[in-house]
Parts: sequence; structure tokens; C-alpha cells
Amino acid sequence: LAKTTQPISMDSYEGQEVNITCSHNNIATNDYITWYQQFPSQGPRFIIQGYKTKVTNEVASLFIPADRKSSTLSLPRVSLSDTAVYYCLVGDLSGNTGKLIFGQGTTLQVKP
Amino acid sequence: EPEVTQTPSHQVTQMGQEVILRCVPISNHLYFYWYRQILGQKVEFLVSFYNNEISEKSEIFDDQFSVERPDGSNFTLKIRSTKLEDSAMYFCASRLTGRGTEAFFGQGTRLTVV
Repeated sequence: LAKTTQPISMDSYEGQEVNITCSHNNIATNDYITWYQQFPSQGPRFIIQGYKTKVTNEVASLFIPADRKSSTLSLPRVSLSDTAVYYCLVGDLSGNTGKLIFGQGTTLQVKP
Repeated sequence: EPEVTQTPSHQVTQMGQEVILRCVPISNHLYFYWYRQILGQKVEFLVSFYNNEISEKSEIFDDQFSVERPDGSNFTLKIRSTKLEDSAMYFCASRLTGRGTEAFFGQGTRLTVV
């Protein structure tokens, strides 16, 4: 499974766009990139997933360069409620396991 | 929106006792997982389960732990002879088949061993 590296913490202000970059230099051909959000004492919540190029949904965008060795989660116009830990995970989601290995995550603090 | 349900939300048990944590995965999902998170630490993979058998397990998942799908809807984690260090949040997750399908997590069971 590819190891991921992301900043331990980030600060932002309400209304700003937040970009969290994750490095995964040894990503394999079959690996997908998945981002989860976790609030204290709650289970991880799926945000977005991609394989290459750009993916957008109603809450975030995911940018993946051609070499796929990194990815950037973009949260538009954050609010106080976006304060959470954000995890970047890389793994092959095919097969009988498809397990996800969590790193330390990025603690995002949104300030008023 | 379908969700993974876990019960109980909080369980307190005495050291040495056995506990069973229960999960109801999303109904058409076929892959099931247990994770744990010790307070202040990262989410750790315990075990994956598919086709009524363990697919993969971590070093944490030793003989003290077992999983079972006793019927068509429940997925359980049993911890025998609990230790103080088993105190953690335990999360169940499930996933559809196919490449690129996301895993959905339950809200967790907080296990406190005293």
C-alpha cells in the first residue's frame, strides 16, 4: 500500500478556499486516492475519490496530476463546521480486501 | 441515505470480560471491516471480511479478537478477555464490490475497559 504524507495541521478562515496536498510517491497503477473527513468521536466520512485528473462533487474537488504522485483536496469557502481531521488514503480498492490504511491526517482549524 | 449502524454507542466493561460489538452494514455491501482508534491516535485497520471469511487482518487482530456474520445483516467483533489497552473507538465499515467503490463507516462504539 502506498504511503501518504500530508501536513499535520492547517489553519484557515471562514469563507476561504482550503487546499490540502497529499504526497504518495509510490502509488501503484491500480490505486485510487480517497479523502475522508473525521469529526471528534465520529466515524470517518467519505468526501471524494479519484483515479486521475480532476474530480468534483458537491462538497469538494480533487486534483490529481498526470504522474499521480500527489493529490490536492480543495474545499471551497470553508465554514467553522469544516473544522475536522482530513485523511488522504491510497489503495487498490479491487479484490477481496480493499482495505484502507489511514495516516495521521491533517487537522484543519477554521477560524471566524 | 443508507448508513452503517453500530451498537452500542458506548460500552463499559471490566478487564477480563468478553465484549461483542455489533454492526449492521449497508444492505447490499459485501466487504466488511473493523477499525479502531485509540484516543488521540490514528484510525487503525483490524480486519476485513468477505464471503464469510476473513480476507486480511492486521497484527493487532490476534487470538483475542474474532469476527462473525451470524446472519444476513449483522457483523460482529468479539473481544475476549479485554485489557485496559483495548479501550478505544471501534468503527465498522462496509463497501460494495467493484473497483473504486468507497467504504462507508459507522459512527463507532466507544469501548472503555476499567
